[in-house]
Amino acid sequence: GENVEQHPSTLSVQEGDSAVIKCTYSDSASNYFPWYKQELGKGPQLIIDIRSNVGEKKDQRIAVTLNKTAKHFSLHITETQPEDSAVYFCAASRGGGSQGNLIFGKGTKLSVKP
Amino acid sequence: KAGVTQTPRYLIKTRGQQVTLSCSPISGHRSVSWYQQTPGQGLQFLFEYFSETQRNKGNFPGRFSGRQFSNSRSEMNVSTLELGDSALYLCASSLASGSTGELFFGEGSRLTVL
Repeated sequence: GENVEQHPSTLSVQEGDSAVIKCTYSDSASNYFPWYKQELGKGPQLIIDIRSNVGEKKDQRIAVTLNKTAKHFSLHITETQPEDSAVYFCAASRGGGSQGNLIFGKGTKLSVKP
Repeated sequence: KAGVTQTPRYLIKTRGQQVTLSCSPISGHRSVSWYQQTPGQGLQFLFEYFSETQRNKGNFPGRFSGRQFSNSRSEMNVSTLELGDSALYLCASSLASGSTGELFFGEGSRLTVL
């Protein structure tokens, strides 16, 4: 089955710096890669996703890149702000009719210091 | 539009007891999935229900069970609680079953087993 590895587990940056979180996946058939952000005391929320037919997707200060050959994808946050502090989860899925096919990484705790 | 509602938010149980958690999905959403979140383990898929039918189940013992009602509300039950069951239990709803659509998470039910 699919396995998703996420690094680093913790990341601390200064406000205004960039942050990069990397994930690797094992199933070459995976074709959907979402990123979720979980703020303290809240449930995860989808912030961006990418499908295997594109290599990069941007939304304001966040971007995701996908390298299908190497089977890894990354989240890039530019000009970080204190409100970016949260736990970020990557996930991968090969599709199919059940949410059980969506496999999450173990999360990265991002701290943005003002 | 109301989000996903989970009750109770916090609860404390002792070993051997059983617990029932409730989840009300976003109106119109027919798929409800449950996840266990523990420090360092990320989001572990428990099961998914769609139109009152269990679509898939994760790698958890039979002590973990669930059901979905005709109004899409879902409950999960854990019997014979163990210390290791202490976790945040998250419910997520989506419009349809399938692993390539957005999940909308509730804020979770935090279970402590003493």
